[in-house]
Amino acid sequence: AQSVAQPEDQVNVAEGNPLTVKCTYSVSGNPYLFWYVQYPNRGLQFLLKYITGDNLVKGSYGFEAEFNKSQTSFHLKKPSALVSDSALYFCAVIYSGGYQKVTFGTGTKLQVIP
Amino acid sequence: DGGITQSPKYLFRKEGQNVTLSCEQNLNHDAMYWYRQDPGQGLRLIYYSQIVNDFQKGDIAEGYSVSREKKESFPLTVTSAQKNPTAFYLCASSKTGRTEAFFGQGTRLTVV
Repeated sequence: AQSVAQPEDQVNVAEGNPLTVKCTYSVSGNPYLFWYVQYPNRGLQFLLKYITGDNLVKGSYGFEAEFNKSQTSFHLKKPSALVSDSALYFCAVIYSGGYQKVTFGTGTKLQVIP
Repeated sequence: DGGITQSPKYLFRKEGQNVTLSCEQNLNHDAMYWYRQDPGQGLRLIYYSQIVNDFQKGDIAEGYSVSREKKESFPLTVTSAQKNPTAFYLCASSKTGRTEAFFGQGTRLTVV
């Protein structure tokens, strides 16, 4: 079975400060990992993904994520937060073997304070 | 513009009624999905389809039905058997099951 955990329901950060949104995963093989963002009453938008290769993945809107196999983590980061980054963020994992069922985390609400 | 379109944006259902949510994509994607989103629970998979005329149950399929007669379309019917249908429903598509998904804007269903 595969699973993904986002341990923080909400993260508050001051505008201009670095932000981190945490994600840990559990799969029996190699994972495909994704981050999505959701604004109120909208669908999810893809931010970035890790399939293989460099552990630091760069994505849209200045976001990046670091894959850490030993800690089974895939934390989302941004060097300088903007108020417009305030949204709901979802981590997702797909097991690379068998049928490619995607599992989403429960989401983390990011609040950037002006 | 390529994308995925859900309609209607808001839908109200009386108890005992079936309702159908529309999902259309022009991205030429093979895989399509339906998710249900409730506060604090993330996204839960209702049904998915990897190819026309084939679909599989997800984690919470009871009370729902789908069809995939065309590559572009994957409508979801919420039947009267679904006891708690009030939720935000999201449709998504992807090239394959291992690539990123593109989401529609969602349909908010409310039972009145």
